[in-house]
Amino acid sequence: KNEVEQSPQNLTAQEGEFITINCSYSVGISALHWLQQHPGGGIVSLFMLSSGKKKHGRLIATINIQEKHSSLHITASHPRDSAVYICAVMPLDRGSTLGRLYFGRGTQLTVWP
Amino acid sequence: EAQVTQNPRYLITVTGKKLTVTCSQNMNHEYMSWYRQDPGLGLRQIYYSMNVEVTDKGDVPEGYKVSRKEKRNFPLILESPSPNQTSLYFCASSLSPGGGWNEQFFGPGTRLTVL
Repeated sequence: KNEVEQSPQNLTAQEGEFITINCSYSVGISALHWLQQHPGGGIVSLFMLSSGKKKHGRLIATINIQEKHSSLHITASHPRDSAVYICAVMPLDRGSTLGRLYFGRGTQLTVWP
Repeated sequence: EAQVTQNPRYLITVTGKKLTVTCSQNMNHEYMSWYRQDPGLGLRQIYYSMNVEVTDKGDVPEGYKVSRKEKRNFPLILESPSPNQTSLYFCASSLSPGGGWNEQFFGPGTRLTVL
């Protein structure tokens, strides 16, 4: 049973296209993270959300707590955006779960020039 | 420079030979965690620590040990490695004890092969 589901698994786009990656989860959460894993393997945190929407440059992340769903959007995509994007959730503290983190399996994005 | 360091970055070893992967952060973070990443399975949490002397199991703790004797260090110990522990390992740290309310900073990864 996977608490976090991402779609699509793989995504190919042409430079300039608008990209959407989706994340659905089955548990109540205190926060949701979007991570980016570069082709070299390094992982960086893009966003941490508990409600609403955040924007950083061409990246926008939204979350709907009631629907247990988050989206990561990339506007005007560029080949340097090619990476694996990973959604991770921190479940609501039930005493035994504080500090736990559940991950989606990632979305491989390739942007062609 | 704020960072999480892991050593070694690459390791090939044989079954049963005890090894330790070190993780150190210089940001005075309270929360630290170990993850493994496998093709098709994604990232999975091994162990985490909310603070010094406080550690807890993640999804896949079997075959691993950790300790948190000081805030900056969180070593991952494989007492008797087996081939199914061949994986890419990441250490991460975060400011908040909750871990989820602040950005996680990841180390560069350690690629471990157990023959």
